Amino acid sequence: QVQLQESGPGVVKPSETLSLICTVSGGSIGSYFWTWMRQPPGQGLEWIGHSGNTNYNPSLKSRVTISVDKSKNQFSLKLSSVTAADTAVYYCARAHGGGGWIDPWGQGTLVTVSS
Amino acid sequence: DIVMTQSPDSLAVSLGERATINCKSSQSVLYSSNNKNYLAWYQQKSGQPPKLLIYWASTRESGVPDRFSGSGSGTDFTLTISSLQAEDVALYYCQQYYSSPITFGQGTRLEIK
Repeated sequence: QVQLQESGPGVVKPSETLSLICTVSGGSIGSYFWTWMRQPPGQGLEWIGHSGNTNYNPSLKSRVTISVDKSKNQFSLKLSSVTAADTAVYYCARAHGGGGWIDPWGQGTLVTVSS
Repeated sequence: DIVMTQSPDSLAVSLGERATINCKSSQSVLYSSNNKNYLAWYQQKSGQPPKLLIYWASTRESGVPDRFSGSGSGTDFTLTISSLQAEDVALYYCQQYYSSPITFGQGTRLEIK
């Protein structure tokens, strides 16, 4: 079955750009809606955006870019001008039904914004 | 944005007993053209990513035990665990995908009494 794995720096300095890659294995990246979520420590889940129609959360839209590299079976997240409020576990995942329910999820990677 | 509100925030239930978690949306997530409720439920165990349990409000994901069931329509939804097992200790989240941005409830922590 499809598995996802996030990779990228665990620490990013304030005002810099957070960059993460999600590698998809066990299936083709195809034409699905690939999704990024985040979860600040001890808090709830926040949707960042989908790749399918580059639909982003309005609260983050000005700072987010999600792109897909079909040749590598990967998709990526770039979040610019980060602050401490962006410290979170970041999950990559697949959205079904044109951007609906989310499954499967990667294991998640903790990104800390700190100087 | 559609606001999702879960109740209670935490719940303690004895092994073998029924657990009920509620989720209310600030507006209807029922799409009239297909009569589907755009709502999903997830289970998140400590240190793990969320796991999909239910979508379309009541469709159980493949492999999910049948003690988990979802019900409700419009703005009011319920996740029921018919007979609580020790491995069901987790946080549970509802999610609407009726409109963008996708939003989640704040989570309900389920523990053993």
